[in-house]
Amino acid sequence: SQQGEEDPQALSIQEGENATMNCSYKTSINNLQWYRQNSGRGLVHLILIRSNEREKHSGRLRVTLDTSKKSSSLLITASRAADTASYFCATTTQGGSEKLVFGKGMKLTVNP
Amino acid sequence: DADVTQTPRNRITKTGKRIMLECSQTKGHDRMYWYRQDPGLGLRLIYYSFDVKDINKGEISDGYSVSRQAQAKFSLSLESAIPNQTALYFCATSALGQGLSTDTQYFGPGTRLTVL
Repeated sequence: SQQGEEDPQALSIQEGENATMNCSYKTSINNLQWYRQNSGRGLVHLILIRSNEREKHSGRLRVTLDTSKKSSSLLITASRAADTASYFCATTTQGGSEKLVFGKGMKLTVNP
Repeated sequence: DADVTQTPRNRITKTGKRIMLECSQTKGHDRMYWYRQDPGLGLRLIYYSFDVKDINKGEISDGYSVSRQAQAKFSLSLESAIPNQTALYFCATSALGQGLSTDTQYFGPGTRLTVL
């Protein structure tokens, strides 16, 4: 069963706008990761945030983690058409077997 | 060259046939995984292996088997394929993370399997 759930399931924006994607999860985690998948291709790791971290940046990406609300958000600033992809959050759970559990993903479309 | 490769990239087969999907990696990682992806369901873990002598069932292992032939090779078999095994299959690898945390996974390009 999926641990994470992305919201919204689909988002369409114009190039240059910011895109915010949210992920909620159910059980306590060790870390949370975001991955991108271009159509029909393998997933590519974007960023990892550990349970004791609240915010992390990588280039145009900003991820936050609120463990009290069991939620994370991924912000892509100044979006580009090349950011069009599906985005997945994935978690490893505390006391689990160190496996990643993926959400169902959300589709971001950036219109030029 | 890609770090994680999968063969074949596409396969069409018939119900009842035995199919093997292969995964090779040059990242030197100990951990390897097989996932399937279905539209609207995200990725679901089939099997995983934390080293050559370690094989574990994932969320949806029924109808599948795996073999870890070497650190770099992890194959997935469908003993008797059925139509609802039509999906996109991904292999992934990871290194042992700091402490007990699993770190980044690196994915292959996927195998699109169609069972008629």
